[in-house]
Order: sequence, then C-alpha cells, then structure tokens
Amino acid sequence: GQQVMQIPQYQHVQEGEDFTTYCNSSTTLSNIQWYKQRPGGHPVFLIQLVKSGEVKKQKRLTFQFGEAKKNSSLHITATQTTDVGTYFCAKGSDYKLSFGAGTTVTVRA
Amino acid sequence: GAGVSQSPSNKVTEKGKDVELRCDPISGHTALYWYRQSLGQGLEFLIYFQGNSAPDKSGLPSDRFSAERTGGSVSTLTIQRTQQEDSAVYLCASSLGRGDRYEQYFGPGTRLTVT
Repeated sequence: GQQVMQIPQYQHVQEGEDFTTYCNSSTTLSNIQWYKQRPGGHPVFLIQLVKSGEVKKQKRLTFQFGEAKKNSSLHITATQTTDVGTYFCAKGSDYKLSFGAGTTVTVRA
Repeated sequence: GAGVSQSPSNKVTEKGKDVELRCDPISGHTALYWYRQSLGQGLEFLIYFQGNSAPDKSGLPSDRFSAERTGGSVSTLTIQRTQQEDSAVYLCASSLGRGDRYEQYFGPGTRLTVT
C-alpha cells in the first residue's frame, strides 16, 4: 500500500531547542500512530491520532493530525538527551500498520 | 510475562541453513505481527495473525519465509535456505485488537546474521 513519507530523515538538535518532524501521505488516513525507538531498542507506542485537526500533548511532545487527515507532525520542545532515537509514524489500514522510514534524532549537549 | 518476548535474541547461521524464530505475545492479545528491520531502516511488515482467521501473508518476501501461530498464542517464523540478504532484526508485536487501531507492543527482536 501507499507509504507515509517522513521528513527529515535525520534531525540534529542542540539540547534545549525545539524541532518538528513531519509525516505525509498522498491519501487520506483513517488514523496515524507514532512510535519511538531508542538506539538498540524496539519501537514503543507514543500516541494514536484519529480525528481531523486533532492535537494531543505528552509533556514536551505535541502531536497533530492535519485537517485533511493527510499529514501529521510531532513537535518536541526543549529537547533533552532522553529524546534521542528514531521516531516512526505509521498509518493504519486493513488491520495493518505501514511504517514510515523514521526520523532519527541526535542531540548535542 | 508482562511483555512480548522473543527468542533467540541473536542468531548467527550459515547461508543455506534453516532458522526458526519464536514470539510469545502478551496474554490475551488476539493480533500478532512479524516485522523485519534492516540496519537503519524502517519496519517492513511480514505477516499478521488475528484470532482464528487465516493469516495475512502479503508481506512475506519469498516462499522461503513461513510462519504459524499455535493455539492463538505463540508464533514461530521460519526462514528456509537463508540468504545473506535475510540478515536483519526480526520484530514481533502483539495488540489487544486490530493492530491498525490498537497500540502494538513490540518484543525485543531477534537479530539474525547470515554468514
């Protein structure tokens, strides 16, 4: 099926700065999930977005689903070293998730 | 156990040999997924089991790959006549319901190296 595109592929951030990673689709999404994978670890669920324009916050992380349900974003404020890892978005369809290639985040202390 | 477990954690095998990877999902989770993750890459869907329904095998890359799930619980992924391009981390995930609507819980993975 159609993949979701994630940009940027790599994000190098100064500790304390904010950044945003994006997840884009050419088709309307029924829902989007976000996962985080720490180096050497396995993906861990962060959030699911279902409604058009939905915004959800988890501490310093803000997730948004676009009004047209074709894109999503993850914004992290005041980046910390614990934010290091790869963030994947995944679109839900036909009982499966199709994962994007991920945004790998490194943090400069 | 509290989470998804996989065994072995690491497997080194010679090209041409068969390997069997095991996944123990969270008790009560009806959906079970296998993914493959190559170094620095995203997750490639392989196969999906939901309850007693026929599995969705649409992601299996070749007929050398097969999987089964016994008793709606433990699953094994078998790769026959392994090739070097099979080297990757194989991840298993389970979910309480439909894996596209419910959170998927991942196991630690099996790192397969084919020499």
